[in-house]
Amino acid sequence: NAGVTQTPKFQVLKTGQSMTLQCAQDMNHEYMSWYRQDPGMGLRLIHYSVGAGITDQGEVPNGYNVSRSTTEDFPLRLLSAAPSQTSVYFCASRHPAVGNTIYFGEGSWLTVV
Amino acid sequence: GIQVEQSPPDLILQEGANSTLRCNFSDSVNNLQWFHQNPWGQLINLFYIPSGTKQNGRLSATTVATERYSLLYISSSQTTDSGVYFCAGAHNAGNMLTFGGGTRLMVKP
Repeated sequence: NAGVTQTPKFQVLKTGQSMTLQCAQDMNHEYMSWYRQDPGMGLRLIHYSVGAGITDQGEVPNGYNVSRSTTEDFPLRLLSAAPSQTSVYFCASRHPAVGNTIYFGEGSWLTVV
Repeated sequence: GIQVEQSPPDLILQEGANSTLRCNFSDSVNNLQWFHQNPWGQLINLFYIPSGTKQNGRLSATTVATERYSLLYISSSQTTDSGVYFCAGAHNAGNMLTFGGGTRLMVKP
């Protein structure tokens, strides 16, 4: 049981480049989400999904796209990277039942130069 | 949306000391969780506690839902307790969580 797996762990991008952060979970969780964590700050919600084919925006969605074609996968796409998107990105998943634990991936460190 | 404030922002303890971390919410929450982020960045869920009190070893948490705050108690702190402690909440159990800014804890040997 791998839990929540994120790739890549580290990435350096040039301004204007695009890329996709991958997230996969093997726990059959319906709820998945992406957060970003800037230095010294808490996590802010980018996008989330409550099931395959359903996505919605969080607090800071601009510059990012998501899709949820399967229960297992929830990729995050940066359309045209900007230095302001330098951050650590965390993918999370959980079962929607009350009280269920939220599981985080190990994070993806992204630097945009 | 919900605003989440945590205090203190930073805390330095000597090993063996006890501490209390606080989390205030701007609105009622039915989903409240505490997390620990270790120095390597890994996030671990500590408690799901929308109300009442729970204990897990040296850690315990109490949420007073009517007054919109939660407390995390760490007793007999150890160096491995170092890291950042986050609380997060949502109006409903199914909603995504809003995180506070965290309390950065350093436990010195």
